[in-house]
Amino acid sequence: EIVLTQSPGTLSLSPGERATLSCRASQSLSSNYLAWYQQKPGQAPRLLIHGAFSRATGIPDRFSGSGSGTDFTLTINGLQPEDFAVYYCQQYESSRTFGQGTKVEIK
Amino acid sequence: QVQLVDSGGGVVQPGRSLRLSCAASGFSFSGYNMHWVRQAPGKGLEGVAVISYDGKNKDYADSVKGRFSISRDNSKNTLYLQMNSLRPEDTAVYYCARDGPGIVDYYYYYMDVWGKGTTVTISS
Repeated sequence: EIVLTQSPGTLSLSPGERATLSCRASQSLSSNYLAWYQQKPGQAPRLLIHGAFSRATGIPDRFSGSGSGTDFTLTINGLQPEDFAVYYCQQYESSRTFGQGTKVEIK
Repeated sequence: QVQLVDSGGGVVQPGRSLRLSCAASGFSFSGYNMHWVRQAPGKGLEGVAVISYDGKNKDYADSVKGRFSISRDNSKNTLYLQMNSLRPEDTAVYYCARDGPGIVDYYYYYMDVWGKGTTVTISS
């Protein structure tokens, strides 16, 4: 099973700042089959990024994904108040597993 | 409008059974693989089961294998999760979700549309 490790566990930032979230895979994702989701309290997850860097429909361009192999990054440029949430990565290279999540909170 | 409405959750005793349903609308249901994903209170996401567009291929998490069964009725645009021999650790919000690319094969990808979730509580 491919294990995904997200860091940091919590990111404390102010609106307008840049958030950089990391997701590291225990094995290489050679096809870059890596997705990112946003989840707010009491809501279902929302797809942000698939294929490591392709934004899902309707996702603002302040969200961007990058990386390859075992190291992937979600960057949020200019944090908006609605961006404070928990973010999960998910791999679909070999079966499907999720990371444990990174919480982005208001500093 | 693409929509998934999951239902069927509730409070049940350990060892009992429950069946969840997910009604799909706004897209060609029979052309998409479908997932069930759960989230225990205060925890992260766990993929529980997935089924191919035609219902012929299924895959389960080790934690539910032999106890849960995923199925679908394409004539009714509905996905199901039959949960037997329930345990306290099955307590979670259960989400149905659509497999993203809508490719009619037996490979499973990311989840692009999610239901709002239905809560399952296992307690005596």
